Amino acid sequence: KAGVTQTPRYLIKTRGQQVTLSCSPISGHRSVSWYQQTPGQGLQFLFEYFSETQRNKGNFPGRFSGRQFSNSRSEMNVSTLELGDSALYLCASSLGVGGGMNTEAFFGQGTRLTVV
Amino acid sequence: AQTVTQSQPEMSVQEAETVTLSCTYDTSESNYYLFWYKQPPSRQMILVIRQEAYKQQNATENRFSVNFQKAAKSFSLKISDSQLGDTAMYFCAFMKHGRSSGDKLTFGTGTRLAVRP
Repeated sequence: KAGVTQTPRYLIKTRGQQVTLSCSPISGHRSVSWYQQTPGQGLQFLFEYFSETQRNKGNFPGRFSGRQFSNSRSEMNVSTLELGDSALYLCASSLGVGGGMNTEAFFGQGTRLTVV
Repeated sequence: AQTVTQSQPEMSVQEAETVTLSCTYDTSESNYYLFWYKQPPSRQMILVIRQEAYKQQNATENRFSVNFQKAAKSFSLKISDSQLGDTAMYFCAFMKHGRSSGDKLTFGTGTRLAVRP
């Protein structure tokens, strides 16, 4: 069974640009969550998508957005990049059915975004 | 809102010895899940162990076990017979129970564990 795949693995962008990150979840998983990891703020929840709908949202500005497609693949977009957006962006997939023995989030290897 | 606190930023243990990582959390929920994730230098987050709050029995996975104290809101991880491959950042995480709550994880700040040969 293939794991969670995030692309690209590394990205360098210039301030003011926008970026799109992609996440392909494990087959059969309907929930995809995004997290930002930085040395200063640790792991922070961005948002969760389930069956193409945003189910949860963290405290990030509107420059951060996402979407989920009918095959459960998800994309995250950051517009007007700032230096502070430099981080490791992690995607996690799960069944999303809320509870039980199968409640577990599987993570991708992350996308390392550097804003210069 | 839930909070997760890991008060030990760094720990060190001799190979083959036992080490315990601490985690406390705050929530008004009665039903939830707790997890320990490991993040080695490769940055891949790997689930180490999980605990359902409604289960009183402490979870165990081979050399890894937890001490779950629901009333005290404490969830510590014990690693027995530490191995060099256990060197990693360890995160404690909380998830509410229920479909409407979603699968959002709230993480602690992490404990960096170094296993010495």
